[in-house]
Amino acid sequence: AQSVAQPEDQVNVAEGNPLTVKCTYSVSGNPYLFWYVQYPNRGLQFLLKYITGDNLVKGSYGFEAEFNKSQTSFHLKKPSALVSDSALYFCAVSVPARTAGNKLTFGGGTRVLVKP
Amino acid sequence: KAGVTQTPRYLIKTRGQQVTLSCSPISGHRSVSWYQQTPGQGLQFLFEYFSETQRNKGNFPGRFSGRQFSNSRSEMNVSTLELGDSALYLCASSVGTGLEKLFFGSGTQLSVL
Repeated sequence: AQSVAQPEDQVNVAEGNPLTVKCTYSVSGNPYLFWYVQYPNRGLQFLLKYITGDNLVKGSYGFEAEFNKSQTSFHLKKPSALVSDSALYFCAVSVPARTAGNKLTFGGGTRVLVKP
Repeated sequence: KAGVTQTPRYLIKTRGQQVTLSCSPISGHRSVSWYQQTPGQGLQFLFEYFSETQRNKGNFPGRFSGRQFSNSRSEMNVSTLELGDSALYLCASSVGTGLEKLFFGSGTQLSVL
């Protein structure tokens, strides 16, 4: 069975500073990894995904993530955080299979608070 | 293009009742997935429908069921509601190729009293 861990419940960062949200995964086989963000009273919004290829993936709103197979990690990063980046961030994994479709296993989420 | 629409936005039910939630996907999307979000269990996959067929199923009891219509709209039903079913139910649509970007609705907040 696959699983995702987000070790930090909350990350606090000052506006303008780098932001990192950690994610580690456990799967059998090659992982397909995703990051989503959730703003208050809203559904999730897609940020980026890693399927194959370059380990550094660039996504929406200036976010990027680095896939590290040896450390089974997929940390989300942003060079300079904005107050508007304050939200709940979810890492998710899917495993390829003939019927995998869009079945995602999500981590517990990390709340990001960016202070002015 | 209109986004994913979920109705109703809020719902209050009592134990033992049943409930039906509705999801209208983005036009042209053939896959609809359902997720349950709770503070304790986080986001959990319920099921996915593609072209009116259930393609994937999560680990939920048989009280949770769903269906998809020919226009890709989907409904999920929960019978014999329990207090623990109180949650935000999120619907997500996509083209349907798999391993793709999901577009989520704002969800239906279900409270079971």
